[in-house]
Amino acid sequence: EPEVTQTPSHQVTQMGQEVILRCVPISNHLYFYWYRQILGQKVEFLVSFYNNEISEKSEIFDDQFSVERPDGSNFTLKIRSTKLEDSAMYFCATQPGQTIPEQYFGPGTRLTVT
Amino acid sequence: GQSLEQPSEVTAVEGAIVQINCTYQTSGFYGLSWYQQHDGGAPTFLSYNALDGLEETGRFSSFLSRSDSYGYLLLQELQMKDSASYFCAGLSGGYNKLIFGAGTRLAVHP
Repeated sequence: EPEVTQTPSHQVTQMGQEVILRCVPISNHLYFYWYRQILGQKVEFLVSFYNNEISEKSEIFDDQFSVERPDGSNFTLKIRSTKLEDSAMYFCATQPGQTIPEQYFGPGTRLTVT
Repeated sequence: GQSLEQPSEVTAVEGAIVQINCTYQTSGFYGLSWYQQHDGGAPTFLSYNALDGLEETGRFSSFLSRSDSYGYLLLQELQMKDSASYFCAGLSGGYNKLIFGAGTRLAVHP
């Protein structure tokens, strides 16, 4: 069964450093999302991406965050200057189309900012 | 704003039936989804209600009442492997953004 993959599984970085989290969506899916989950808390929406552009973003997704799909396969989330409060599990999710609201989540990248 | 409320914990025994309620406050949700998350794992889709009424998928059923801003997930014939967190999530915006509740931790005991 096709699945969403994410790399790395765990990233440790120092405050102020840039990180890039990578996701390979399911090949025929059209909608892509990033969510984050701080340990023990709920999953929070960050951004949605469709047709090679951001379709919606949350208040969390400020100027320090960016997304792109550079080669038509990978879908990346970049945090330019990490803060301690960025420490969380980051999930990529994809959806086949708009009429089927079933989102497939990747295994996540645990980001630890020290 | 958009918020969803659900109980923080539920405990049940194997073979029993459990209902996890979700109430929401928003004017922008056009559907309610349920996701399961095991410790250390990713959320996995369980069910979706766009219309009022009951949707059944095997041992799991989900219900929605738009007029009451209320839904629930019903798990039947509970198994130990059902021990996990269950999140209700409202669909919002034009691109199916999910707004999650805080999650209900279900513990199934023998």
